[in-house]
This record gives sequence, structure tokens and C-alpha cells, in this order.
Amino acid sequence: DVKVTQSSRYLVKRTGEKVFLECVQDMDHENMFWYRQDPGLGLRLIYFSYDVKMKEKGDIPEGYSVSREKKERFSLILESASTNQTSMYLCASSLTGSIEQFFGPGTRLTVL
Amino acid sequence: SQQGEEDPQALSIQEGENATMNCSYKTSINNLQWYRQNSGRGLVHLILIRSNEREKHSGRLRVTLDTSKKSSSLLITASRAADTASYFCATDRGGYQKVTFGTGTKLQVIP
Repeated sequence: DVKVTQSSRYLVKRTGEKVFLECVQDMDHENMFWYRQDPGLGLRLIYFSYDVKMKEKGDIPEGYSVSREKKERFSLILESASTNQTSMYLCASSLTGSIEQFFGPGTRLTVL
Repeated sequence: SQQGEEDPQALSIQEGENATMNCSYKTSINNLQWYRQNSGRGLVHLILIRSNEREKHSGRLRVTLDTSKKSSSLLITASRAADTASYFCATDRGGYQKVTFGTGTKLQVIP
């Protein structure tokens, strides 16, 4: 079974802090994704990566950056957290050639 | 921009009844998927239907796709309390497997 893990289920940070959200998958998937989920807005793609050190902006990249130094790990970075980044963050991965995505359990981030 | 819009936003039914939720999208697609999300958890893939398919079944799930109307429906037959979850459609237009998710239908199945 594909397993996607995220470093924290719940996280509380203060405005202006630098925040790292980590995602690890164990099935050698090439593609990895970061989404945020907000009520009434569904899932919105922040960034995705289709290979090590490769990244592409999604629909809402502002205020975020990402890092993919190893194939299994995809990090989302909030350079200076703001209250409007309070959200549920979901990581996913997929195999090249397959459209099905496998999701982690999510990190609920609160920025005070 | 949101590609998929689910309808209804929320649905409450009795156990044993069928649940139908719909997804409409705006542009041509390669594939359409349905995912389930239990409260506060990640999404789980349920079923994929390709643009050249019209209907697909998986267990108690039946998905239809009408590309002329740019819409899909997900039918869950003989619902169970464990089906209580949010259901999302997701569309793609090819490329780097980038998919666009809808806003979801929240289904409650009352025992």
C-alpha cells in the first residue's frame, strides 16, 4: 500500500514565523503535490513537483515555497506565516502515467 | 479557478437509500475521478472514468459521464453509515497529472 505521511496533524504558529510542512511517500512516486483545503473552496493546488529539484507553481503559490531534494520528500515552506494561511494542508503523490493521487492525512495549521 | 462544481453541497439520507451527487465542469477533460474524504482526513481515490467512457461501476458505486453536458454523477447504492463523508470530483486535461478538484458534496447517512 502506498503510504503518504505528513509531519504533523495539528500545528499552531504565530504570525511572521517560518513554517515547514513535511511530506514523505514510500512508493517511489515521481509526482508530489501540496494543496490547501478551505470550507467552500475545495482543494486548491499550491505547488507540485514531477521530479527531484523540479517544481511548478499551482493555482495559489503566493506566500509559499517548496523544496524537493529527495524523491520521497516534498516540503512546503511558509516564509512568513500570516493568519490567512490558517488552513488544512494536504500532500499527495502519484506515479507518472497514472492520474490517481494518494493523499496524506493532512496538517491542520492555525496561524495566530 | 475551480473546474468542478459538485451538487448538492450537502445531502442527508437514511441508511439503505441511494445517494446521487453530481459534478459539472467547464472545459474539456481527459479523465474525471471521484474521491472520498472522511472528516478531517486525507482524500481516498474511489473511481476514475475516462473521457471516452460513459459509465463505470465499482462495487456499490456507479459513475456516469456526459461530455456533451460536461457533467458526471456518482451514485452510491444501498448506503451505509460508513459512507458518511465528503465526495469530490477531480478533472484533468493531461500534462503532468495536474488535477483540479471541485468543492465537494457532504454526505450524511443516518443509521
